[in-house]
Amino acid sequence: AQTVTQSQPEMSVQEAETVTLSCTYDTSESDYYLFWYKQPPSRQMILVIRQEAYKQQNATENRFSVNFQKAAKSFSLKISDSQLGDAAMYFCAYRSPGGADGLTFGKGTHLIIQP
Amino acid sequence: GAVVSQHPSWVICKSGTSVKIECRSLDFQATTMFWYRQFPKQSLMLMATSNEGSKATYEQGVEKDKFLINHASLTLSTLTVTSAHPEDSSFYICSALGVTGEYFGPGTRLLVL
Repeated sequence: AQTVTQSQPEMSVQEAETVTLSCTYDTSESDYYLFWYKQPPSRQMILVIRQEAYKQQNATENRFSVNFQKAAKSFSLKISDSQLGDAAMYFCAYRSPGGADGLTFGKGTHLIIQP
Repeated sequence: GAVVSQHPSWVICKSGTSVKIECRSLDFQATTMFWYRQFPKQSLMLMATSNEGSKATYEQGVEKDKFLINHASLTLSTLTVTSAHPEDSSFYICSALGVTGEYFGPGTRLLVL
């Protein structure tokens, strides 16, 4: 079974600074999908960024980028120019190849933005 | 963008009663929907995969007779918590798998007294 590990229960960053959230996973598959989701206090799950394992290029969405290291099974999220609205729980997630299975989530990282 | 709704957003019920939660994809069709459960300060755990027109697939440890799932149309899946007990109190989130990705509902908070 696949597992997703987020080793940082909580992270704090000053507004406008950069922060990196860590995620590692375990799988025997060669192709799969990885995601970062944001869950604000409203608890609505918001997709931040996704990465297909077959793509070597790291995904980027505005201030959000990932460092995908397939051999190391590492998938970290970098948030640049942190804003107060970035404060939330961040979950790393894995989906099996084929794309029709449910997500396996990590335990999450609580991101605090200090003004 | 793709929108998924859930109803009700929160519900309080007495122990032993059954509660039905609806998950609808409002502007797209979804042959596959997922049900997750999230306990306070914890992550989301996949409970089951709901496929339109067929039986749901449950994750290990999830009682299929307790958590009844029906996916009768391409836009609606329902989760019924039967004979609910206080330990079933949780936040239940559905998602729908569309052509362009998976979209989450806003969740349903269930409190069993």
